[in-house]
Amino acid sequence: EADIYQTPRYLVIGTGKKITLECSQTMGHDKMYWYQQDPGMELHLIHYSYGVNSTEKGDLSSESTVSRIRTEHFPLTLESARPSHTSQYLCASSGTGWWEAFFGQGTRLTVV
Amino acid sequence: QKEVEQNSGPLSVPEGAIASLNCTYSDRGSQSFFWYRQYSGKSPELIMSIYSNGDKEDGRFTAQLNKASQYVSLLIRDSQPSDSATYLCAVNMGNGLSFGAGTTVTVRA
Repeated sequence: EADIYQTPRYLVIGTGKKITLECSQTMGHDKMYWYQQDPGMELHLIHYSYGVNSTEKGDLSSESTVSRIRTEHFPLTLESARPSHTSQYLCASSGTGWWEAFFGQGTRLTVV
Repeated sequence: QKEVEQNSGPLSVPEGAIASLNCTYSDRGSQSFFWYRQYSGKSPELIMSIYSNGDKEDGRFTAQLNKASQYVSLLIRDSQPSDSATYLCAVNMGNGLSFGAGTTVTVRA
């Protein structure tokens, strides 16, 4: 059973606000990822990390930023939310030497 | 060319039948392949992983890999209404998993 948690599950926020989506895992996984998925569409990798102080941008350009100060924590921040950021954000992690990714429950973000 | 392509759906099968899902990938160097199931409104759930050419069976699921053809497939035997979901093919591209667009399967009772 994967133990990866995202908060909040749902967020409705006004344009221009700064938001941080939280993601934590208790499995000691070194690799963590953020994916973005619009309804009925495919997942796109927006950020990944191979360990503490390691972050890289994924295949889909995103205005969000991430940090990895602790192994278990990988928050995603939007400095100024816009309606185009409305989407589902999925956090995932995988262990050393493995590529199976386990997903959190997701955060469904709506910017109005 | 997309990195991971899946056969377009939706796929409708009667209960008890076999559902066959296909996936091709572009990176010949890829070594790890996965199938995820995603119910509507939920996050993806890993159901199968395969690393070597050939078949891998787990319960009613069988994954097949042919690296020479850059092809991965998933068979669902004795399909049940609870198998109705979108199935995502994922391939390790070296910086995380790249996902196909998914194939939606509906099992008719």
